[in-house]
Amino acid sequence: GQNIDQPTEMTATEGAIVQINCTYQTSGFNGLFWYQQHAGEAPTFLSYNVLDGLEEKGRFSSFLSRSKGYSYLLLKELQMKDSASYLCAVMDSNYQLIWGAGTKLIIKP
Amino acid sequence: ETGVTQTPRHLVMGMTNKKSLKCEQHLGHNAMYWYKQSAKKPLELMFVYNFKEQTENNSVPSRFSPECPNSSHLFLHLHTLQPEDSALYLCASSQDGERGGFNEQFFGPGTRLTVL
Repeated sequence: GQNIDQPTEMTATEGAIVQINCTYQTSGFNGLFWYQQHAGEAPTFLSYNVLDGLEEKGRFSSFLSRSKGYSYLLLKELQMKDSASYLCAVMDSNYQLIWGAGTKLIIKP
Repeated sequence: ETGVTQTPRHLVMGMTNKKSLKCEQHLGHNAMYWYKQSAKKPLELMFVYNFKEQTENNSVPSRFSPECPNSSHLFLHLHTLQPEDSALYLCASSQDGERGGFNEQFFGPGTRLTVL
């Protein structure tokens, strides 16, 4: 079966750095997405990786290793507004998005 | 209105009721999606419409019935639901031109459904 694994919850301190990991086993691979979802709001797109390596976008970076079935989202200079759930999703060979259950990130002052 | 809108934002219904959820996208996209989001579970894809044709139906019970009258509007008709159907129902849209291309999905705020 297809599976996306990510930690259920993480806690970090304001101003620090946090890395959220995602491992996947899917039938085929056509890219990996990270979304941010604040409580009670819609998920919003953060990043897309289809080739191995690091994609940097401001305070957020996303890394992909296709051979290891592994990605991480790196958040730097954490702010209180970064408290949210972070969803990892992989597009499989049928171009369907397979979603992880999300990682709830709690930022403490 | 911009982006993807959904109405109502909250809905409480009994198991014998019939109700409909509405989604509208103002992005000119050609693909629309219904997802179910339950607490601490992955997003579950329910239905996909591409160019107004339903292309995916992931074994969703018949008590959920989608309708896509045009590329901007999507409905989810609900009847004789069960308490376990209580969840957040999210609508999304994307520009699904080429297979294999990057097609970011834009989500609406969701409808929080409670079935009593």
